[in-house]
Amino acid sequence: DSGVTQTPKHLITATGQRVTLRCSPRSGDLSVYWYQQSLDQGLQFLIQYYNGEERAKGNILERFSAQQFPDLHSELNLSSLELGDSALYFCASSEPEYNEQFFGPGTRLTVL
Amino acid sequence: GQNIDQPTEMTATEGAIVQINCTYQTSGFNGLFWYQQHAGEAPTFLSYNVLDGLEEKGRFSSFLSRSKGYSYLLLKELQMKDSASYLCAVRLRDYGQNFVFGPGTRLSVLP
Repeated sequence: DSGVTQTPKHLITATGQRVTLRCSPRSGDLSVYWYQQSLDQGLQFLIQYYNGEERAKGNILERFSAQQFPDLHSELNLSSLELGDSALYFCASSEPEYNEQFFGPGTRLTVL
Repeated sequence: GQNIDQPTEMTATEGAIVQINCTYQTSGFNGLFWYQQHAGEAPTFLSYNVLDGLEEKGRFSSFLSRSKGYSYLLLKELQMKDSASYLCAVRLRDYGQNFVFGPGTRLSVLP
């Protein structure tokens, strides 16, 4: 158990819908990262937050957005969902010194 | 752009030693990480190199050559549970301390 929690574990929805994925980092970790992992691709970095502020942006679509709240939990919002958005979405957190990342168990999103 | 290469698949025998290579070409470098990922599960941290040389951690060792853009992960005394994907990741030296992951190497350990 990494100490990072993600909810829900599974999510099934239809095209065009909007969903919110939630992540709680390890106690004391200020950085939160979001990744997408589809069947035929490796881990794709989406976005990073540090202590409530956006710190880095990767291959995140405009239909996707995220935020980190004062209690440091983070949410990833995915809208106008497409079939290709079906993937495992991981959240990770790290210490302020930016050392190793600790990954949550992931949310498996299925878009039908 | 950022580019990280790893072999797609490798096979080894239980009890043997296997070396998984990783080459990278990135716009910045602030450390190289190796993660293990079992199918359907989250990645877990194995090792970290920021300076050239070998880092040993039990059955796992990792080597880095920054001038060559090259790293390898060495797994000794292979066990069946080592069957997994191994991900090489580079932390970039940018404001975001962004991470770029390689495609992963799927290792199968046979009895």
